[in-house]
Amino acid sequence: GAVVSQHPSWVICKSGTSVKIECRSLDFQATTMFWYRQFPKQSLMLMATSNEGSKATYEQGVEKDKFLINHASLTLSTLTVTSAHPEDSSFYICSAKSSSYEQYFGPGTRLTVT
Amino acid sequence: QKEVEQDPGPLSVPEGAIVSLNCTYSNSAFQYFMWYRQYSRKGPELLMYTYSSGNKEDGRFTAQVDKSSKYISLFIRDSQPSDSATYLCAMKAGNQFYFGTGTSLTVIP
Repeated sequence: GAVVSQHPSWVICKSGTSVKIECRSLDFQATTMFWYRQFPKQSLMLMATSNEGSKATYEQGVEKDKFLINHASLTLSTLTVTSAHPEDSSFYICSAKSSSYEQYFGPGTRLTVT
Repeated sequence: QKEVEQDPGPLSVPEGAIVSLNCTYSNSAFQYFMWYRQYSRKGPELLMYTYSSGNKEDGRFTAQVDKSSKYISLFIRDSQPSDSATYLCAMKAGNQFYFGTGTSLTVIP
């Protein structure tokens, strides 16, 4: 199957700093990438959908100025959490969709804001 | 009413048991149906996907779709401790994906 990587897998940052998470599709071109947030023992919460070369579409309640998404190429999307606060601590998962209908997930990034 | 309903469990079975995981949905526009497995602190892994009503088998896993009842199932035969994970169903209509809340499964040796 298709492989999606995320970097870093785990990051700890201080409150007020910004953190960038990368999502790469390694062996296919991803026309669409998705960013999810997941709290312990809860399901995936879609944050935003990004198509290569265009602005991301954010879900209701997600601050686009806080969660900056860039999808500059068909294999790379980045999520930047700006001015992070402890309540932003969560598991962030990206996924990528190829021309077929499946959606492939990255391994996730655990963000801890102290 | 949620688009996709899935019993969160937890579900606990002895090793070797047959496991049945289910989701119901309300949107008849859903065309593609998927099952993902998620281990703790990992991203979801695509297990199976199907388009039509009926059964699709892959090793110990069988995905079943009943579009008339808006009901999908994932069966796991001869369950193993390594199957212990959260299983998410997912459905697609157009470019929109909808996920169930996930069912936590523990297979006891």
